[in-house]
Amino acid sequence: DTAVSQTPKYLVTQMGNDKSIKCEQNLGHDTMYWYKQDSKKFLKIMFSYNNKELIINETVPNRFSPKSPDKAHLNLHINSLELGDSAVYFCASSQGWKGASGANVLTFGAGSRLTVL
Amino acid sequence: GESVGLHLPTLSVQEGDNSIINCAYSNSASDYFIWYKQESGKGPQFIIDIRSNMDKRQGQRVTVLLNKTVKHLSLQIAATQPGDSAVYFCAGVIQGAQKLVFGQGTRLTINP
Repeated sequence: DTAVSQTPKYLVTQMGNDKSIKCEQNLGHDTMYWYKQDSKKFLKIMFSYNNKELIINETVPNRFSPKSPDKAHLNLHINSLELGDSAVYFCASSQGWKGASGANVLTFGAGSRLTVL
Repeated sequence: GESVGLHLPTLSVQEGDNSIINCAYSNSASDYFIWYKQESGKGPQFIIDIRSNMDKRQGQRVTVLLNKTVKHLSLQIAATQPGDSAVYFCAGVIQGAQKLVFGQGTRLTINP
């Protein structure tokens, strides 16, 4: 069983369209995240949720809307896609924030490569 | 500000040699650091972690060294193998911010 699974793996779409990426974790973790990785491999956090509650929103445009129906799922919906949205989006999960401990270790999904034409 | 950065974007080593990947961090980064390995087409995978009350931690073929005086950590990989080819990231937990900040990444290439 894949610990953190995200779908789709590849997504090619036109500018202006709306698309969603889904993520599910079966690790029993309380916290889930979305990271964006650009063409230079830089990984930047976008959002984090703890037990369905939004914890971090890193000044991401409001075209991006995360939704967490339960603590095992965190989906990402993107409206009015722009060329600059092309990237690999990674979902991740962790046990939660408990000081300097292994609870902070993130387990990542395999990524969803979004290409906006 | 918060930052975790790497000294070199690429590193090439001969198979069987040891590799050292370096990372620097700023004042506001945390007391806990993690090294990740990302292979092509995959997500980052945990390698090893270290708390700031430690100077060194060893795993299987990997060692992480932490120098708090100069705010520097390194990942040493012993006897590199072709399977070690990947992008390596250091990441620091930002105190109080509940987030993991990643450095730029170093691409390690193993030459036969």
